[in-house]
Amino acid sequence: DTEVTQTPKHLVMGMTNKKSLKCEQHMGHRAMYWYKQKAKKPPELMFVYSYEKLSINESVPSRFSPECPNSSLLNLHLHALQPEDSALYLCASSLVGDPRETQYFGPGTRLLVL
Amino acid sequence: AQSVAQPEDQVNVAEGNPLTVKCTYSVSGNPYLFWYVQYPNRGLQFLLKYITGDNLVKGSYGFEAEFNKSQTSFHLKKPSALVSDSALYFCAVRDFRDSNYQLIWGAGTKLIIKP
Repeated sequence: DTEVTQTPKHLVMGMTNKKSLKCEQHMGHRAMYWYKQKAKKPPELMFVYSYEKLSINESVPSRFSPECPNSSLLNLHLHALQPEDSALYLCASSLVGDPRETQYFGPGTRLLVL
Repeated sequence: AQSVAQPEDQVNVAEGNPLTVKCTYSVSGNPYLFWYVQYPNRGLQFLLKYITGDNLVKGSYGFEAEFNKSQTSFHLKKPSALVSDSALYFCAVRDFRDSNYQLIWGAGTKLIIKP
């Protein structure tokens, strides 16, 4: 089973709202990722967690706040977003420590910021 | 610097014909190469990867890719295209010497299969 699940599928929020995106995997992967993808563009890496610790933050604005409460869950907390943050947010996971390993992606959350 | 190029924004193929989606890469060390597919309004699905060994890699949905070290290419192929293969395809590379193990992505190629 190579399934990564994400909720919600769609999210509409105002610029003053606080919301959270959730990601879950049960493959025993200890690396988890958040990506942002604009239409018809490749995904852009935002954050990487390795063994539940933040290992990479690609200079993402502080209005995005990641959290990895355990080895199966990854959250992305959103606050005071801008309309340009509207995008598809993808979660992925992989085994840690081996560059040969495949990243498996969830279906994404499509976010619209009004 | 590491990079991936997908030289065609769009590829049009008639159903039943063979298809090729091109990818070339530039890395300083040995590359690990991946192909992903994205159907409309969906996440990325892993198709296949080249790590080492046989240059012809077989993957999901009848796709295969050929690693060519001298041409630094990793083209995706399928002998007989289906309309359902219409999607956005991304090639990605990872340099095994990069301790961050991040993927470097191509810009994507839209594949359109016409009935």
